[in-house]
Amino acid sequence: GAVVSQHPSRVICKSGTSVKIECRSLDFQATTMFWYRQFPKQSLMLMATSNEGSKATYEQGVEKDKFLINHASLTLSTLTVTSAHPEDSSFYICSAEKGTEAFFGQGTRLTVV
Amino acid sequence: GENVEQHPSTLSVQEGDSAVIKCTYSDSASNYFPWYKQELGKRPQLIIDIRSNVGEKKDQRIAVTLNKTAKHFSLHITETQPEDSAVYFCAASKSSYKLIFGSGTRLLVRP
Repeated sequence: GAVVSQHPSRVICKSGTSVKIECRSLDFQATTMFWYRQFPKQSLMLMATSNEGSKATYEQGVEKDKFLINHASLTLSTLTVTSAHPEDSSFYICSAEKGTEAFFGQGTRLTVV
Repeated sequence: GENVEQHPSTLSVQEGDSAVIKCTYSDSASNYFPWYKQELGKRPQLIIDIRSNVGEKKDQRIAVTLNKTAKHFSLHITETQPEDSAVYFCAASKSSYKLIFGSGTRLLVRP
């Protein structure tokens, strides 16, 4: 299988600050990565598609100015939660495709206090 | 866009019994249907998948069936074990990776 690494695994930040989450494909190149959000005991909701070298595609209802996505290389996509508020607290997880299978990062639990 | 519905939301079975989880999808163009197992606080792990050109796939105690006409697919786990306890998600996609997930099923296998 392939390895997708996400960092940090946990982060606590103050309300109003910004937090950056990294998603790396360690042993393969990924032109496309995906960012999901998961609330406790709920499903994974697709937030956006991260495209290497171009703008991300956001799902309906996701604020692109609040959730900034950058995919500057074939192995790295970043999600920045800007001006975080307590309601942004959630589990954020990325995925990347290798071949015909999607591989997930280990997720980032964000807590905004 | 695609919409995936999953039932039941919780399922409790006795060890050794079978468990069945069902999903329906809305977009007839979807052609890839994976199933993921997620343990608390961890990443989803692919357990089995099926493509629209086959109707059934089996891997040891796990099987998936697909009915394209009815647009539904099911996960079957036989001889359940306590370590099968987890949340299971179905998903559908028109490609292999932009996955739309079902709402999840919390499976509890009682020893």
